[in-house]
Amino acid sequence: SAVISQKPSRDICQRGTSLTIQCQVDSQVTMMFWYRQQPGQSLTLIATANQGSEATYESGFVIDKFPISRPNLTFSTLTVSNMSPEDSSIYLCSVAPSGGAADTQYFGPGTRLTVL
Amino acid sequence: AQSVAQPEDQVNVAEGNPLTVKCTYSVSGNPYLFWYVQYPNRGLQFLLKYITGDNLVKGSYGFEAEFNKSQTSFHLKKPSALVSDSALYFCAVRDMRGGAGNNRKLIWGLGTSLAVNP
Repeated sequence: SAVISQKPSRDICQRGTSLTIQCQVDSQVTMMFWYRQQPGQSLTLIATANQGSEATYESGFVIDKFPISRPNLTFSTLTVSNMSPEDSSIYLCSVAPSGGAADTQYFGPGTRLTVL
Repeated sequence: AQSVAQPEDQVNVAEGNPLTVKCTYSVSGNPYLFWYVQYPNRGLQFLLKYITGDNLVKGSYGFEAEFNKSQTSFHLKKPSALVSDSALYFCAVRDMRGGAGNNRKLIWGLGTSLAVNP
């Protein structure tokens, strides 16, 4: 398995500002993902963070709103730009160590974002 | 269309009784199936997965799941529930579009809230 940390664990932000969330893994992993989850609800995949190339975004999510970096095999950031109250959610980082189809995804503890 | 269904929003069970959390799926080809648990204010924790082989899969915290190909189901079970098992449970299936080696995304169920009463 992989141990994943996220910073910050929670934040309260003002409308129109941006927040960058960091995801750090204790070992090199092939695949990294960013999800959004409303409390008590299911997960929505935002994008797959690709090392050395642009992230792959899911339908409904765009790079201008959610820019992602992945400079190496253990670290990624997700920025929530020009925030509005609708962006209030839990943001989860996930990794698949080997990247194979049978691989297990492991999750970080999440970042709880509140936008006022 | 590829999908996962968890037909019960909530399951209530008395402590010590067996529990079942249901999951059905629809995918092309052989499914790769996963169960995760989320305790309050925590991230998701992996419980178990079915890839191939024995239809009964054993996982963490005494949980097991039975893969049933004819019923396209992968129900999560535990012989004796604990109050500490109260949590949100998610079933997921690997998105197999594009072939087994090309797509790493998981398709998630909506989750089932399990409440174990003392």
